[in-house]
Amino acid sequence: GAGVSQSPSNKVTEKGKDVELRCDPISGHTALYWYRQSLGQGLEFLIYFQGNSAPDKSGLPSDRFSAERTGGSVSTLTIQRTQQEDSAVYLCASSLVGGGGETQYFGPGTRLLVL
Amino acid sequence: GENVEQHPSTLSVQEGDSAVIKCTYSDSASNYFPWYKQELGKRPQLIIDIRSNVGEKKDQRIAVTLNKTAKHFSLHITETQPEDSAVYFCAVGISNYKLTFGKGTLLTVNP
Repeated sequence: GAGVSQSPSNKVTEKGKDVELRCDPISGHTALYWYRQSLGQGLEFLIYFQGNSAPDKSGLPSDRFSAERTGGSVSTLTIQRTQQEDSAVYLCASSLVGGGGETQYFGPGTRLLVL
Repeated sequence: GENVEQHPSTLSVQEGDSAVIKCTYSDSASNYFPWYKQELGKRPQLIIDIRSNVGEKKDQRIAVTLNKTAKHFSLHITETQPEDSAVYFCAVGISNYKLTFGKGTLLTVNP
């Protein structure tokens, strides 16, 4: 079946603008995760959704970052008033139920460049 | 929080040789240890994982070993091929959803 998809694949924006990044998880997966990957770095956890609820937002770097999930499916990560340090690849992943030790399947990512 | 260290950051081997990548972690409660492979410009893909009740797991040319006492685990790739060239990430999870990743190892297999 279809894997995790993300859009856009690339986004160039000017400092101070808002951006929205979209994630479509694998159909039937109730758990959804957002990670950020900066150049030469590992993946940094941002937020976790179980259904439409976000029990853990601890990885969001500032209040400029927010995310929502509707219908237990699509999720949107919004970055307001973007800064140059926000430039990174934003990866979304999903898993079946969100329990421990469960395989997370990643999307291709959105490469964000803030000028 | 959990701290994951991954070594080496780069590794170059000749085709046919073995490659070993090691990760250490800090939280003794961690119980899930996946390895992801990421080719340039592509998404991370799970290649193997191990849980804390197992000391070793093998899948063809890939194996992972876990030493819970020492809090480290390693990825072993035997008979390396050029298509094994990629960035490899280890990750650590506790009995929840959150994975903490290492910074990655760039593996280059020279023909």
